[in-house]
Formats: sequence, C-alpha cells, structure tokens
Amino acid sequence: AQSVAQPEDQVNVAEGNPLTVKCTYSVSGNPYLFWYVQYPNRGLQFLLKYITGDNLVKGSYGFEAEFNKSQTSFHLKKPSALVSDSALYFCAVLYGNKLVFGAGTILRVKS
Amino acid sequence: EAGVVQSPRYKIIEKKQPVAFWCNPISGHNTLYWYLQNLGQGPELLIRYENEEAVDDSQLPKDRFSAERLKGVDSTLKIQPAELGDSAVYLCASSLRGANGELFFGEGSRLTVL
Repeated sequence: AQSVAQPEDQVNVAEGNPLTVKCTYSVSGNPYLFWYVQYPNRGLQFLLKYITGDNLVKGSYGFEAEFNKSQTSFHLKKPSALVSDSALYFCAVLYGNKLVFGAGTILRVKS
Repeated sequence: EAGVVQSPRYKIIEKKQPVAFWCNPISGHNTLYWYLQNLGQGPELLIRYENEEAVDDSQLPKDRFSAERLKGVDSTLKIQPAELGDSAVYLCASSLRGANGELFFGEGSRLTVL
C-alpha cells in the first residue's frame, strides 16, 4: 500500500533559521507527493506538490520541497523561518484518487 | 470566493445519540470528500463523491455512518448511534474533477462523545 511517514512529531527552530520537515514515502511506481499545512483552528491548506519534472518544487509562503528518489524522501524546506510558520504540517501521497496523509509534524518557530 | 463551509464547528453529545454534519463545497467543485481526523493523526478518507455518486466509501463504517449528497452540491454525514471512539474532527473537502490531490478543506467539525 502507498504510505508516507513523518519521523518527527515536532520540529523546533529559531526565527530566521532554515527549517526542514521530513517525509519519506513508500510507493510503487511514480509517486504524487504533497504537503499540506494546518494552522490552529483552520482547515488544511495545500502548500505544494510533486508529480513529475524538477525535483525541487516551490510552493506557497516561501516553502519548497525536494523530491529524492534514491532516498524515497520529500522533505519540506524554507530558507528562513517565520514565527507565523508555526503550524501542523502533513505530507501526503495520492493513491488512486485518494490522498493518504502522514501523522503530521508540529513546527514551532520561536522568536 | 467562499471556501468550504462546515457546520457545526463543535458538537458535544452523549453516546448512543445521533449527530449530523453538514458541508457546502466550493461552487463548481464536483468532487467532495469526508475525512476523519483523530487527535495526533493525519486525516483518513471516509467517503468520496463525484457529483451525487459515492465512488469510494470503502472506509466508511456503514453500520453507524451514512452520508448523502443528494443534488451533487451540499453533503451531510450522519452517525447513529455515536460511540465514545467517534470523538474526532470530521473534515470536508472539495476539488475540481481531476485535481490530482489539490483539495480545499473546511475548518472541520469537532465531535465530542461523552
């Protein structure tokens, strides 16, 4: 079955520092991979996706993600974290017509 | 443009009582999803509609859960009777057909079963 794993329950980073939120996938064939963000008391929001092409995908709010086939990873990155980036981040894979989500990683950015 | 609207935002009921959640998707979105999000976990698909047809309800516990999307727009998810383990957030999402995973989510309905 297609699945994604987020190995960190929480990531803490200082404002202005680069951030990475990790995701690994287990997929047969070519994966369609996604990142979603959930701010407190808000619905999930689409950030970015990888389907094919360039391994570095750029998304909303300055986020980007790097697809690495050899490491089966799709880590979310941002060069300079903001306090407002603090939220719950979900990696997901498209399986048929169904999005399968990871358990989520809490990102805390401290000023 | 209005987003996906869900109601109620919060619901507290006693076990064995019925409960219903309503979702109004983004105008023009043919595909509607209901997801279940337990605390500390990612959302899990319960049911997916293409217009008024439920095309994937394999994860919907049909003994107590039901859903409908009669006119291919609004949708209702019902639980009867509710159990303690049903306490969770119920998320509705919508997308254009062929959106390839780009979903628009509502804020969710948080259910507490006492």
